[in-house]
Amino acid sequence: DAGITQSPRHKVTETGTPVTLRCHQTENHRYMYWYRQDPGHGLRLIHYSYGVKDTDKGEVSDGYSVSRSKTEDFLLTLESATSSQTSVYFCAISEPNRGRSETQYFGPGTRLLVL
Amino acid sequence: GENVEQHPSTLSVQEGDSAVIKCTYSDSASNYFPWYKQELGKGPQLIIDIRSNVGEKKDQRIAVTLNKTAKHFSLHITETQPEDSAVYFCAASIGRGSTLGRLYFGRGTQLTVWP
Repeated sequence: DAGITQSPRHKVTETGTPVTLRCHQTENHRYMYWYRQDPGHGLRLIHYSYGVKDTDKGEVSDGYSVSRSKTEDFLLTLESATSSQTSVYFCAISEPNRGRSETQYFGPGTRLLVL
Repeated sequence: GENVEQHPSTLSVQEGDSAVIKCTYSDSASNYFPWYKQELGKGPQLIIDIRSNVGEKKDQRIAVTLNKTAKHFSLHITETQPEDSAVYFCAASIGRGSTLGRLYFGRGTQLTVWP
């Protein structure tokens, strides 16, 4: 998984509680991404980061926030979890080169269940 | 932003037959097209990619073709084996400006290879 770890790998939580998912990389890539994967929807981008403290919204960012204080760590926070946020969350990294996109490498995923 | 359509959503083939998955994209500025394979319980893994200055690329039993005029690209798997069974995703990247590093994914194709 290209030096990417996600924690926790599985989590069960209750509606209304805050949840933080962590992505850690050892590749020193500038770009990091959070996706959610749901049946019938494929991979949808939540937020991404193009450097320390530089983040931007993806297509499904409502209800999520992110932080990146170090190159190697990208945190995804659900401020108040809802059942609609039950999903599998994937982190990815990439290193765009010479002004063009390059391969994204994915982590193993975190399975989140909100009751 | 970019819109990527992927067909079919499910595909069943007999071992040894060929499989073809097709994707279309909407933004003619897209210039990078990766394909990912996702096995059950794992993160997506890159299997092949192509850039817009190339029409076809092969890697053993898999090949990707790109038709820029028609804005579509396809994945071809020959001599399929049961271990090819997985979900396959296509993606496109515009790769410049504010979209640098972003991938836009199709919804996936579940390929099943019967022995």
